[in-house]
Amino acid sequence: GAVVSQHPSRVICKSGTSVKIECRSLDFQATTMFWYRQFPKQSLMLMATSNEGSKATYEQGVEKDKFLINHASLTLSTLTVTSAHPEDSSFYICSASGGRRDIQYFGAGTRLSVL
Amino acid sequence: KQEVTQIPAALSVPEGENLVLNCSFTDSAIYNLQWFRQDPGKGLTSLLLIQSSQREQTSGRLNASLDKSSGRSTLYIAASQPGDSATYLCAVLMDSNYQLIWGAGTKLIIKP
Repeated sequence: GAVVSQHPSRVICKSGTSVKIECRSLDFQATTMFWYRQFPKQSLMLMATSNEGSKATYEQGVEKDKFLINHASLTLSTLTVTSAHPEDSSFYICSASGGRRDIQYFGAGTRLSVL
Repeated sequence: KQEVTQIPAALSVPEGENLVLNCSFTDSAIYNLQWFRQDPGKGLTSLLLIQSSQREQTSGRLNASLDKSSGRSTLYIAASQPGDSATYLCAVLMDSNYQLIWGAGTKLIIKP
């Protein structure tokens, strides 16, 4: 299957700093990329859907000014957690697909810990 | 609003047993259903994908069934091994907006 690389796998930062997470599709063009958040023992929750070259669509309750998503190319999307706080600590997973109903290929996830 | 439920939340069985994990969903208007495996602190591995028109899919010791009308899917694992220990997630892709809706997972422990 297709490969999606997510970096970094783990990040620890101080409260108030910003953290950028990258999601790359290595061997296919990802028209659509998705960002999920997962709390311990809970389901993955979709945060936003991004299409290359256009603004991301955020799910209800997700602050677009706090979670900045950029999908500038067909192989790269970034999620920036701005002014991170301890409550932002979570597991963030990206996925990429060739279209909204195509199979999603998942990155390995990023464990964010905000001190 | 689609809700996906997985039962049980956790399961511990001896090695070698056959077992069944359950997934139910409230809205049958789905495009497909997928089963994933997630190891602790790791990403997701897709195991099986069943299109809405299909009844089952098989891969090795895994067999997934889908009864769309009743809103149920099962994942059957034959001859379980300690390496099968992980959290198993099911997710449905909605017909209306192609959004993946996830269950909370079943944490499986296979005891040697």
